[in-house]
Amino acid sequence: SQQGEEDPQALSIQEGENATMNCSYKTSINNLQWYRQNSGRGLVHLILIRSNEREKHSGRLRVTLDTSKKSSSLLITASRAADTASYFCATVLWGGGGNKLTFGTGTQLKVEL
Amino acid sequence: GAVVSQHPSRVICKSGTSVKIECRSLDFQATTMFWYRQFPKQSLMLMATSNEGSKATYEQGVEKDKFLINHASLTLSTLTVTSAHPEDSSFYICSARGDSEAFFGQGTRLTVV
Repeated sequence: SQQGEEDPQALSIQEGENATMNCSYKTSINNLQWYRQNSGRGLVHLILIRSNEREKHSGRLRVTLDTSKKSSSLLITASRAADTASYFCATVLWGGGGNKLTFGTGTQLKVEL
Repeated sequence: GAVVSQHPSRVICKSGTSVKIECRSLDFQATTMFWYRQFPKQSLMLMATSNEGSKATYEQGVEKDKFLINHASLTLSTLTVTSAHPEDSSFYICSARGDSEAFFGQGTRLTVV
């Protein structure tokens, strides 16, 4: 079953602007991860934030996590046309079943020149 | 980073035939691999968890006799879509877990005609 909802479903911005995507989830988690998918391709891991962390940075990416609200956000600063892709959050809850990832619905980001 | 190789990337088959998709972890051992299905512009839905040396664990609603999974070694899992029908046309993606993040294959676009 789908764990998370992401919004917006689609986002179109100009190069140089910042892009913010939000993810909400329903159950407890051990960590939350963000992935990027170019059209018709596999997923690439971007960043992982643990449940006891509130914010994490990696290059132009900033991720926040609010476990009380069961939500996370991904901020891409100074966007580039090459950032055009779909972005998914995925939650992990350790336990039986191999710590599987449960994906959100995704945000399609388009960065225009 | 770790590499997961998925083959083939595209396959077109006739209705009623079977198709095998391979997923290999190239530079690490994966006791657990995951198979996902993705419809156009939608998120990834977990189909099953593939366990090396034992039976796969299928998600609710996934027919195990239709989607046969074999995890014969620590570096190879296969998904066979048996007696494929047009409604099985989709994008199938495998992943293997590293220490904290998941690594994804490039996906297989299956078209059943």
